[in-house]
Amino acid sequence: ETGVTQSPTHLIKTRGQQVTLRCSSQSGHNTVSWYQQALGQGPQFIFQYYREEENGRGNFPPRFSGLQFPNYSSELNVNALELDDSALYLCASSLRSGVNNEQFFGPGTRLTVL
Amino acid sequence: AQTVTQSQPEMSVQEAETVTLSCTYDTSESDYYLFWYKQPPSRQMILVIRQEAYKQQNATENRFSVNFQKAAKSFSLKISDSQLGDAAMYFCAYRSKDGNQFYFGTGTSLTVIP
Repeated sequence: ETGVTQSPTHLIKTRGQQVTLRCSSQSGHNTVSWYQQALGQGPQFIFQYYREEENGRGNFPPRFSGLQFPNYSSELNVNALELDDSALYLCASSLRSGVNNEQFFGPGTRLTVL
Repeated sequence: AQTVTQSQPEMSVQEAETVTLSCTYDTSESDYYLFWYKQPPSRQMILVIRQEAYKQQNATENRFSVNFQKAAKSFSLKISDSQLGDAAMYFCAYRSKDGNQFYFGTGTSLTVIP
């Protein structure tokens, strides 16, 4: 069974640029959630995708967008990067119909915005 | 919105001793799930233990146990026989029964002293 993977591991961008982060779900999982974890903070929910549709969104502006593909992998896109977007971005996959909907996290992508 | 509070930014424990990490939460819901996640320096979040609110019995996983006080909205984690590998950030998290969003606390950094 393959776990959740994310790419790239680290990324450096400048203000105003756009970035795409990628996530591969754990085998058999049909739901992907994205979180932003600022330094010294807990993860904050960005949004969730289920069967290629957005299925809930946290308090993040529209410049944070996502995609889920038929194989359940996912992308997080952030436009017009701001300094405050610097954070660890975590992806978590789960089974939508799972009894406890346990989420399995990837190792994260560290984004630095200069 | 639900909130999760971890009032101990840092804790330390002697190897082989017992430590308790505190967590409180605020919700108007009656059925929900609570979680403790561990995030070692490698960054990958790992589920430590899970509690279903409708179950009165406290969850236990080997050396890890919880003290779930539903009326007080308290969910503390007890680590017995602490080991060096227990050193990590510990996050308390809440999810409503039918929801798709996890709410995380700000974390407690646990140091294990040899």
